Amino acid sequence: GQNIDQPTEMTATEGAIVQINCTYQTSGFNGLFWYQQHAGEAPTFLSYNVLDGLEEKGRFSSFLSRSKGYSYLLLKELQMKDSASYLCAAAGNTGGFKTIFGAGTRLFVKA
Amino acid sequence: EADIYQTPRYLVIGTGKKITLECSQTMGHDKMYWYQQDPGMELHLIHYSYGVNSTEKGDLSSESTVSRIRTEHFPLTLESARPSHTSQYLCASSDSTRTGGSGYTFGSGTRLTVV
Repeated sequence: GQNIDQPTEMTATEGAIVQINCTYQTSGFNGLFWYQQHAGEAPTFLSYNVLDGLEEKGRFSSFLSRSKGYSYLLLKELQMKDSASYLCAAAGNTGGFKTIFGAGTRLFVKA
Repeated sequence: EADIYQTPRYLVIGTGKKITLECSQTMGHDKMYWYQQDPGMELHLIHYSYGVNSTEKGDLSSESTVSRIRTEHFPLTLESARPSHTSQYLCASSDSTRTGGSGYTFGSGTRLTVV
């Protein structure tokens, strides 16, 4: 089957580092995405991994292990504006190459 | 500035009414999608299109229909709205020539309430 698992909520302190984990199962694999979604707004694209390893983009980094069906999003130097939901999404390569989304991890950044 | 537009942003409508949610994008993306999302829940794919005159149903049966007569336009129609259709509807697009590199671009969504 196809499934995405990620924690429901996390809390971290401003200036700290937080790691949001995601495990996935898809019909084939065509990439792993992370999106940020503020309350009441649309998701915005953060990162894409299709090969194993770490992709760094400013304060955000994303890691992928295809053999383990595992990814994480690392947020450094947390700011209050980083309080949002972070959606893990995996693209399959069968059945129309559809992308499935997790329910999201709601991150609360406190002062 | 948004490159994918959804209207209306909010809609309250009575049971049994026919409604069309509009979605247009100016990026020339070939792929377009409709998702349904309840608060704090995952996005569920309702319909998708890989190009003009190509539409497919997603995983969620929502009793809706779509059309793709023009590349930029992908409206969603509910023939007879029911309270169970109350949700947020998100339209998205992507460029198959850059799959993965930029992900999906989402519209601002339509929050639908059926009373």
